[in-house]
Amino acid sequence: EAQVTQNPRYLITVTGKKLTVTCSQNMNHEYMSWYRQDPGLGLRQIYYSMNVEVTDKGDVPEGYKVSRKEKRNFPLILESPSPNQTSLYFCASSWGGSLRNSPLHFGNGTRLTVT
Amino acid sequence: GDSVTQMEGPVTLSEEAFLTINCTYTATGYPSLFWYVQYPGEGLQLLLKATKADDKGSNKGFEATYRKETTSFHLEKGSVQVSDSAVYFCALSSLYTGANSKLTFGKGITLSVRP
Repeated sequence: EAQVTQNPRYLITVTGKKLTVTCSQNMNHEYMSWYRQDPGLGLRQIYYSMNVEVTDKGDVPEGYKVSRKEKRNFPLILESPSPNQTSLYFCASSWGGSLRNSPLHFGNGTRLTVT
Repeated sequence: GDSVTQMEGPVTLSEEAFLTINCTYTATGYPSLFWYVQYPGEGLQLLLKATKADDKGSNKGFEATYRKETTSFHLEKGSVQVSDSAVYFCALSSLYTGANSKLTFGKGITLSVRP
């Protein structure tokens, strides 16, 4: 089954404790991206990757890191989480080309709470 | 920059009622327009899209028409079901620089359909 898999689904942590949210897709997609979803703000892009070893900042990259060493994986790293990073996070992928014509496929989300 | 504005929610309807969810956009040129749906506990899924003016996207009984003159892409359904209860997001992909990098989402609106 074609899918984007995120882990974990739920995560509670404390301020300053490094964490990684994993994302993997089995569709051989070139494009991958991370969004955060907050009430009243919709979805905002954190980082994206057009292909292996190519990453770039989205609208809200502060406090986050990503890497794209393999085509299928795109982990999101919070080196020193803070309470304002409490949010619902989504990984998404697309076959590439143009997002105008190729839909985004989303994972089921990771709900992160930072205390 | 690009932006998407959705009507304020939440929206509560009775089963078989007519649904309209308003969406207007601001973008340079002629973007592609999308509606995504998020069912409880899941990631977003593409519901329908339109890539040029006067195009009508349709899926699962939902329709939306790309209106360039009013910069709108309102979502409609003639008879909603309880299973349509979800969060609905309007989004766009710009034609110009950054077209391949992200979708710009509205804030989303929660639809609840009661039996």
